[in-house]
Amino acid sequence: SQQGEEDPQALSIQEGENATMNCSYKTSINNLQWYRQNSGRGLVHLILIRSNEREKHSGRLRVTLDTSKKSSSLLITASRAADTASYFCAPDFRGGSEKLVFGKGTKLTVNP
Amino acid sequence: KAGVTQTPRYLIKTRGQQVTLSCSPISGHRSVSWYQQTPGQGLQFLFEYFSETQRNKGNFPGRFSGRQFSNSRSEMNVSTLELGDSALYLCASSLDGTGLRFRNQPQHFGDGTRLSIL
Repeated sequence: SQQGEEDPQALSIQEGENATMNCSYKTSINNLQWYRQNSGRGLVHLILIRSNEREKHSGRLRVTLDTSKKSSSLLITASRAADTASYFCAPDFRGGSEKLVFGKGTKLTVNP
Repeated sequence: KAGVTQTPRYLIKTRGQQVTLSCSPISGHRSVSWYQQTPGQGLQFLFEYFSETQRNKGNFPGRFSGRQFSNSRSEMNVSTLELGDSALYLCASSLDGTGLRFRNQPQHFGDGTRLSIL
């Protein structure tokens, strides 16, 4: 079924470093959303980027979208221990149903 | 505004029993979606309700069912529980009217119900 695939599956960095995670997909999209999930909690919406946008910022988060490569990346700058979580992308596929489908996510660990 | 509320937070059942989980969406949100999350399968879409009608459905057996009330609150029911049904069940709500203007508004998730089957 249509969904995004996050890469890497797991990422471990030190506090203060930048973290980059990627999302790839196979067919055209209307937009793409990124979510964060802290252990045992629900998902929290981070950013929505539309297909005609190339980059979007929100605080320490920077999302890029390359529709020609069918990929998106999420960059977290100056990571903190509190950023430890799983991160999911959810593309909205053109012609697809209106439901969101999530991949398996990237598990980010930020070590103090 | 209050967030999405799911009850109960934890539930322990035995095989063969049935269970009902509840979700109260954010006030004004008319779309409610349900997801099952397990370590092995990740986040899997169960179904979505909008204005008391099931609008989308995932690939789950008929033991999994849901409904939505006129106040947008939703329940999901799992009958004849199996060990493999142990999971975190998440509910999400969004504004989601009709048409592109509302398409894929951000979803707001509750903290889920952790269901354990013994």
